[in-house]
Amino acid sequence: AQTVTQSQPEMSVQEAETVTLSCTYDTSENNYYLFWYKQPPSRQMILVIRQEAYKQQNATENRFSVNFQKAAKSFSLKISDSQLGDTAMYFCAFMKPSGAGSYQLTFGKGTKLSVIP
Amino acid sequence: NAGVTQTPKFQVLKTGQSMTLQCAQDMNHEYMSWYRQDPGMGLRLIHYSVGAGITDQGEVPNGYNVSRSTTEDFPLRLLSAAPSQTSVYFCASSNTGREKLFFGSGTQLSVL
Repeated sequence: AQTVTQSQPEMSVQEAETVTLSCTYDTSENNYYLFWYKQPPSRQMILVIRQEAYKQQNATENRFSVNFQKAAKSFSLKISDSQLGDTAMYFCAFMKPSGAGSYQLTFGKGTKLSVIP
Repeated sequence: NAGVTQTPKFQVLKTGQSMTLQCAQDMNHEYMSWYRQDPGMGLRLIHYSVGAGITDQGEVPNGYNVSRSTTEDFPLRLLSAAPSQTSVYFCASSNTGREKLFFGSGTQLSVL
């Protein structure tokens, strides 16, 4: 079974600063996908960024970028110019094909990020 | 667009009662799934479906049943509720399963 580890249960960052959330995963698969999801206090799950394992280029979405190290099985999220609205739980997730055209998504336990004014 | 709609938003059950959590999507997505979220545990996959008539178990399927008679609907049934099933439940869908998941707003379930 795949495991996703987020080693930082809680983090805080000053507004306008940069913060990096770590994620490691364990798999023997070569073809898979990685995601970061954000869950603000509203409880809504929001996709932050997605990375395909076969792409060497790191994904970016505005202030959010990842550092994908396939050999090290590491997938960290960098948030630049942190804003108060970035305060949320952040979940790293791993997705692999599971046969018959289906996919299974495994989540880490999450990192609670607080942006301090 | 409504996206993914879950009902109810809140529910309290007594041990042994049964109920169905409803999930509907209007995006014509083939892939639908149910997760439960417990404090400190992240989200765990209960059941998923890759199309009408096709379902499969996820990581924590015991105590839950699903069916997929239409593309739009994917209800989750609790057969005999137990306190261990107290959780927040999320339904999610996507076009192929490997793309962005669209989540519902969640159902907070308490089993007394």
